[in-house]
Amino acid sequence: EIVLTQSPGTLSLSPGEGATLSCRASQSVPGNYLAWYQQRPGQAPRLLIYGASSRGNGIPDSFTGSGSGTDFTLTISSLEPEDFAVYYCHQYGSSPFTFGQGTKLEIK
Amino acid sequence: QIHLQESGPGLLRPSETLSLTCSVSGGSISTYSWSWIRQSPTKGLEWLGYISTSGVTNYNPSLKSRLTISVDTSNSQVSLKLTSVTAADTALYYCAKDRLFPRYWGQGVLVTVSS
Repeated sequence: EIVLTQSPGTLSLSPGEGATLSCRASQSVPGNYLAWYQQRPGQAPRLLIYGASSRGNGIPDSFTGSGSGTDFTLTISSLEPEDFAVYYCHQYGSSPFTFGQGTKLEIK
Repeated sequence: QIHLQESGPGLLRPSETLSLTCSVSGGSISTYSWSWIRQSPTKGLEWLGYISTSGVTNYNPSLKSRLTISVDTSNSQVSLKLTSVTAADTALYYCAKDRLFPRYWGQGVLVTVSS
């Protein structure tokens, strides 16, 4: 099973700042089949990025996914108040599919 | 717009069987693959398995012997059955559309296993 480790665990930033979230896989993710999800309190996860770098429907271009192999990054260019949430990476290249433990993005 | 609504018993005793349904509206259930994912404070998000449009299932090996996912096209429902539950199965259970990177999720149903 591919283990995904996200860092940092918590990121404290101010609105308008940029954010960089990391997801490291225990082995190479086949096909770079890596997705990112955002989860706000009391809500289900929302798909942001799939295929490491493709944005989901309606996702603003302030969200950018990059990386390959074992190292992936989600970048948020300028934080809006609604972006403060928990972010998860998810690999679907190798069964069993797995999720990272999450990065909490909180307001500083 | 696809809408998903999970339902099922909120409380179970250890060793019982968990049965959940996911009612699908806004689209044809037979056109898509469906996944179940759960979330708990201890394990975080955990992928449980999926059923494809052709009825092929893929389950997490950690649950494989206990888990069944099926589709009832006549009632437009996706079902999950998990046998011999323990406290470790306590979680918020989500159904979701798509088998690889689910795009639409239900709001989830909380399941607690306790004696």
